Amino acid sequence: DGGITQSPKYLFRKEGQNVTLSCEQNLNHDAMYWYRQDPGQGLRLIYYSQIVNDFQKGDIAEGYSVSREKKESFPLTVTSAQKNPTAFYLCASSIRRHTDTQYFGPGTRLTVL
Amino acid sequence: GDSVTQMEGPVTLSEEAFLTINCTYTATGYPSLFWYVQYPGEGLQLLLKATKADDKGSNKGFEATYRKETTSFHLEKGSVQVSDSAVYFCALSDRGEKLTFGTGTRLTIIP
Repeated sequence: DGGITQSPKYLFRKEGQNVTLSCEQNLNHDAMYWYRQDPGQGLRLIYYSQIVNDFQKGDIAEGYSVSREKKESFPLTVTSAQKNPTAFYLCASSIRRHTDTQYFGPGTRLTVL
Repeated sequence: GDSVTQMEGPVTLSEEAFLTINCTYTATGYPSLFWYVQYPGEGLQLLLKATKADDKGSNKGFEATYRKETTSFHLEKGSVQVSDSAVYFCALSDRGEKLTFGTGTRLTIIP
């Protein structure tokens, strides 16, 4: 089955540690996205990538980094510079750049202790 | 910039009741509009979409009509079920660069 996988589902880290969240898609989509979701709020865009080896900052990129070395993979690193990293992180993809419809993975809940 | 305003929740209805969740938007161009649904502990699923004025998106008994004159995209369903309990997000995409989301509306259906 085609889809987007995110791992792990739950992640716990100590304050001050960097952590990398995985996102893989086998939909052959060009574009991929990372969003952050906080309780009672909508989703906010962290980073997005329209093609391999290229990515752009979203609305809340500070304290995060990404890479896009392969079409199917778009990992997100939450660095120690992110002031409030505890949140639900969602990865999404779309067929190509400037395509409206995005499809979402199941999410990773990160808790920083 | 672009923005989406959704009806404040939570919303609680009895089974078989009529549902409306209001959504209005602000955008500089001609956006596409979406409703996504999120079940507890899961990611978002696309429920329906409309890409131009007067289009009606529909899926699983839910409907929403793109109203350019009122900049609205209200979600409706004639008879809700317990399984419809979830959080619903209205969103827009202007030029396909990114999605702008509303804050979500939590819907609970009581048997």
